[in-house]
Amino acid sequence: AQSVAQPEDQVNVAEGNPLTVKCTYSVSGNPYLFWYVQYPNRGLQFLLKYITGDNLVKGSYGFEAEFNKSQTSFHLKKPSALVSDSALYFCAVRVLTGTASKLTFGTGTRLQVTL
Amino acid sequence: ETGVTQTPRHLVMGMTNKKSLKCEQHLGHNAMYWYKQSAKKPLELMFVYSLEERVENNSVPSRFSPECPNSSHLFLHLHTLQPEDSALYLCASSQDARVVRGYTFGSGTRLTVV
Repeated sequence: AQSVAQPEDQVNVAEGNPLTVKCTYSVSGNPYLFWYVQYPNRGLQFLLKYITGDNLVKGSYGFEAEFNKSQTSFHLKKPSALVSDSALYFCAVRVLTGTASKLTFGTGTRLQVTL
Repeated sequence: ETGVTQTPRHLVMGMTNKKSLKCEQHLGHNAMYWYKQSAKKPLELMFVYSLEERVENNSVPSRFSPECPNSSHLFLHLHTLQPEDSALYLCASSQDARVVRGYTFGSGTRLTVV
């Protein structure tokens, strides 16, 4: 089955330190990968995507993600974390079906940034 | 605002009630989706509509009934729900069914079944 996995339920980091939120994928063919962020009682907001091209993808709010084909990973990173980055982060992969594609999401990683 | 609007934001309903959730997008997208988000569970895809035609129904109980009258509007009709149906219901849209650019989500409807 085509899927993504987020191995960490929660990541804690001090403000100003670099952060990494991990995601690995399992798909056949070339993956379309996405990161979304969710703040409390809100929907998911798009951060960035990888379709093809450079392995380092830059997105919103200073986030970036590195596509690594050999390790089947797509980790989200930020050089310097802010308290306002505290939220729930979801990795997703596009899954091709017969008539329409869809996004399948990981279980989410809660990022807690402290002063 | 993301361009996808969901109403109401919060809904409390009894198990014998009938209510509807509404989703509206003005992005010119042709595909729309309903997801269910429960605490400590992955997002569950419920329904997919492409060009107003239902193209996926993920074994959702019949007490949930979707409707897509046009490409800008999507409804989820609810009746005789169970307490375990309490969750955040998210609507999303994509440019088309290929989902090359991902989804745009609404803010969700927080449903509580009492």
